[in-house]
Amino acid sequence: DARVTQTPRHKVTEMGQEVTMRCQPILGHNTVFWYRQTMMQGLELLAYFRNRAPLDDSGMPKDRFSAEMPDATLATLKIQPSEPRDSAVYFCASGPRGGMEAEAFFGQGTRLTVV
Amino acid sequence: EDKVVQSPLSLVVHEGDTVTLNCSYEVTNFRSLLWYKQEKKAPTFLFMLTSSGIEKKSGRLSSILDKKELFSILNITATQTGDSAIYLCAVEESGGSNYKLTFGKGTLLTVNP
Repeated sequence: DARVTQTPRHKVTEMGQEVTMRCQPILGHNTVFWYRQTMMQGLELLAYFRNRAPLDDSGMPKDRFSAEMPDATLATLKIQPSEPRDSAVYFCASGPRGGMEAEAFFGQGTRLTVV
Repeated sequence: EDKVVQSPLSLVVHEGDTVTLNCSYEVTNFRSLLWYKQEKKAPTFLFMLTSSGIEKKSGRLSSILDKKELFSILNITATQTGDSAIYLCAVEESGGSNYKLTFGKGTLLTVNP
């Protein structure tokens, strides 16, 4: 049963601490997205990668957020230092990008609370 | 400025009602429009639309795209309480061999018994 796996599922941290979220895309998918979901803003695209190369991270606050794909099976999103306004659910999604396929498969998300 | 706008933001109906959810978009290199259903956790894929006027149907759900007027609708007939969810519209833009999905804020649908 192929699925996108995100860890941790929940994270509570104090303001100023570093937070690292991890994502394992579906094997064979070559596009990975990071989204942030809040009640106010909905689902916002933070960054996405294709074949491990960052294509667009314009939605991400550069001063504190960073996204990487050290290898094809791992994507990371890091916040340093974290702030209360970063509290949200962070979703990773991967896509096959083959032919007409465009659907993205989502992980279960990481619920981040910064206090 | 939002590229993908959904309406209404929320909707409350009774079981058996029919609902129509709207999604309008404004992107440079449109490739496809996708609908997702999000219940408690991750969004799950419903439909992908690439051509105008061709209805996609799955059970009580159907969707159609108008590329001239830049919008799509998602219809749900004979709604059930299990249809309660956030319905998300996303637009795929292409740039060469790359693509990305931009989501609207969603429509929160509540179906009461």
